[in-house]
Amino acid sequence: EAQVTQNPRYLITVTGKKLTVTCSQNMNHEYMSWYRQDPGLGLRQIYYSMNVEVTDKGDVPEGYKVSRKEKRNFPLILESPSPNQTSLYFCASSLGSPGSYNEQFFGPGTRLTVL
Amino acid sequence: AQSVTQLGSHVSVSEGALVLLRCNYSSSVPPYLFWYVQYPNQGLQLLLKYTTGATLVKGINGFEAEFKKSETSFHLTKPSAHMSDAAEYFCAVSPGGEKLTFGTGTRLTIIP
Repeated sequence: EAQVTQNPRYLITVTGKKLTVTCSQNMNHEYMSWYRQDPGLGLRQIYYSMNVEVTDKGDVPEGYKVSRKEKRNFPLILESPSPNQTSLYFCASSLGSPGSYNEQFFGPGTRLTVL
Repeated sequence: AQSVTQLGSHVSVSEGALVLLRCNYSSSVPPYLFWYVQYPNQGLQLLLKYTTGATLVKGINGFEAEFKKSETSFHLTKPSAHMSDAAEYFCAVSPGGEKLTFGTGTRLTIIP
C-alpha cells in the first residue's frame, strides 16, 4: 500500500531534550516536506527536500533540522525543543514539486507536546 | 510571495444544503491551486486541483471549485451537503515553484 508513515504518532517530552520524528514514504517520491499545524494558523511549511541531499527552508524553519540521506526517509530533528514547538506535525511527499501540480500525500501526523 | 485567505474559520450548513467555502489568493504569477480535506484525526488528502485549462474543476466526493482570475478566487462548492462532509478544508497555492502555501482552514459542520 502506498503510504507515508510517521513515528511516533504521539510524543510528550521536556524542554531541551533532543528528539527525532521519522518520516518514510514507499512511493519513490522525490519531493518531501514537513509542516506544522496550529489552531488558527493552518499548515506552515518547516522544511522541504527536492531530492537526496537537497533540502531547503520553508516558512518556519527556526528550531528544526532535517536531513535527506535516502530518498524514502526525511527525519525531522528538534535539537533543543521548546514549548512553542508543541504542535501537530505532518510529513508529506509528492512525485515532484507542488509547482508541477503534484498531489502531496500526507502522513497521519505526530502530536508533539513539549513541557 | 503568495498567500491564501480563507474567509470563515467555521461554516455550518444543513444536510442537503449548498456548501460554499471561500478561498482568495495572491500570487505574482499564475498559480496552481489546491483544495485539501482533513477528516478528524487524519492527515490531509487532495480534493481537487487547478493547474491550467478549464476553470471549473471537479474533485472527489461531489466537490468542485471554480478558478476566477479576475476575482483571484478559488471557492469550493458542493450542491448538497452530506454528514460525511464534516471536516476541515484547506485551500493551498503554489506559484509554480517548490513551495506550497496553505490557508488557515475552514471547519465545516453539517447540521442534521
